[in-house]
Amino acid sequence: DAGVIQSPRHEVTEMGQEVTLRCKPISGHNSLFWYRQTMMRGLELLIYFNNNVPIDDSGMPEDRFSAKMPNASFSTLKIQPSEPRDSAVYFCASSPRQIQETQYFGPGTRLLVL
Amino acid sequence: AQSVAQPEDQVNVAEGNPLTVKCTYSVSGNPYLFWYVQYPNRGLQFLLKYITGDNLVKGSYGFEAEFNKSQTSFHLKKPSALVSDSALYFCAVRDTGRRALTFGSGTRLQVQP
Repeated sequence: DAGVIQSPRHEVTEMGQEVTLRCKPISGHNSLFWYRQTMMRGLELLIYFNNNVPIDDSGMPEDRFSAKMPNASFSTLKIQPSEPRDSAVYFCASSPRQIQETQYFGPGTRLLVL
Repeated sequence: AQSVAQPEDQVNVAEGNPLTVKCTYSVSGNPYLFWYVQYPNRGLQFLLKYITGDNLVKGSYGFEAEFNKSQTSFHLKKPSALVSDSALYFCAVRDTGRRALTFGSGTRLQVQP
C-alpha cells in the first residue's frame, strides 16, 4: 500500500509568490491533518479535516494560509503571498475514522522562501 | 488543553546499553499517547501507542513504553540500543475530545558505537 503522498518534496520560491502544497492521504482514511515543523516552534498542527470538512483551523497562522480538501483523496495547502518566515517542513498525515487510530505521516515538503 | 513535555533535548547512550526517553503529558480526559521517530530528512514514523489496557506497550524495532497514570508519564524504553536507533523521537498526546495530536518538542537520541 502506498503511504501518504506529498508533493513537491522541495520548494524554493521568492517572497510574495504563491505556494501550493499537495497531499494524497492513504486510501480509506477519512481524517487528514496538516502540520508544520520548524526549529523554533517544533511540530504544530495547522488544520485538520474529517470527511473532507475542515474541523479545526485554529493553527493556521493567518489569512495568507488556506487549505482545501475537495475530495477524499486530495488536499492542498496554499500560501499566498509567501514570506520568509513560512520556511519550514510541512507534513500531511491521515488516519482512519476511529479516534484512537494512528496518524500516518507523509515525507513532508521542505519549503524555502527567499 | 492538552500538552506534552519532553524534558531532555538530547539523550546519549552507548550501543548495547538500555535507553530511556522521557515524556510527561497533561490532558483533561483519558489520554491516547503515541511515540514517533523521525530520521533525517524523513517524515515521522509511528512506533507505538497507548489507548487502554496493559500499561506496558510494545512497538516497532524493539521499543516499548510504560504508561504511568499517577505520574502522567509515558517513557520510551529499549533494553539494548543500536547505533541505527539514533534519531529524533517525539511523544504525542490526544485526549478523547480531539482528533489532532499535540507533540512534544522532541528528543534527539544519539547512540555511540
